[in-house]
Amino acid sequence: AQTVTQSQPEMSVQEAETVTLSCTYDTSENNYYLFWYKQPPSRQMILVIRQEAYKQQNATENRFSVNFQKAAKSFSLKISDSQLGDTAMYFCAFRRLSQGNLIFGKGTKLSVKP
Amino acid sequence: DAGVTQSPTHLIKTRGQQVTLRCSPISGHKSVSWYQQVLGQGPQFIFQYYEKEERGRGNFPDRFSARQFPNYSSELNVNALLLGDSALYLCASSSTQFRGGLNEQFFGPGTRLTVL
Repeated sequence: AQTVTQSQPEMSVQEAETVTLSCTYDTSENNYYLFWYKQPPSRQMILVIRQEAYKQQNATENRFSVNFQKAAKSFSLKISDSQLGDTAMYFCAFRRLSQGNLIFGKGTKLSVKP
Repeated sequence: DAGVTQSPTHLIKTRGQQVTLRCSPISGHKSVSWYQQVLGQGPQFIFQYYEKEERGRGNFPDRFSARQFPNYSSELNVNALLLGDSALYLCASSSTQFRGGLNEQFFGPGTRLTVL
């Protein structure tokens, strides 16, 4: 069975600084998808960034980028130029190619301080 | 376009009661998935429906059931409520069943269920 582990329950960063959130996963699959979701206090889950396992190039979306290490089964999220609006729970998620359901980690609570 | 909508926003029930939660997907989306998010945890998959048929089920007891209607909206039913069923219930929709494609899931705001 696939598992997703986020080892940092809470993190904080100063506004405009850079922060990296960690995620590791366990799977025997070779092709799959990985995601980072953001859940602000308003609780609406929003997709931040996604990565297809067969792509070697790390995904980037504006201030958000990932470091995907397939052999190490690691998928970290880097947030550059942190903004107050980045304060939220961040969840790492895994999905098999052939299934629709997402498998989530326990989340990391990120606080951006002014 | 409207996003995924869920009703009600909040719900308070007592142990042993039954509850029905509702979800309307984004227009044109045919797949709906349900997740349970207990406080302090990540969401856990309960069901996926596509074209009115169950296409996936998570590790939840038979007290949990769901259905999808011809307009692709969905209901999640939970019978014989337990204190441990208190959680945020999230609905997500996507355009297809995912096979071979990325098919992003879009989440609704959730229904907060409290069981006393």
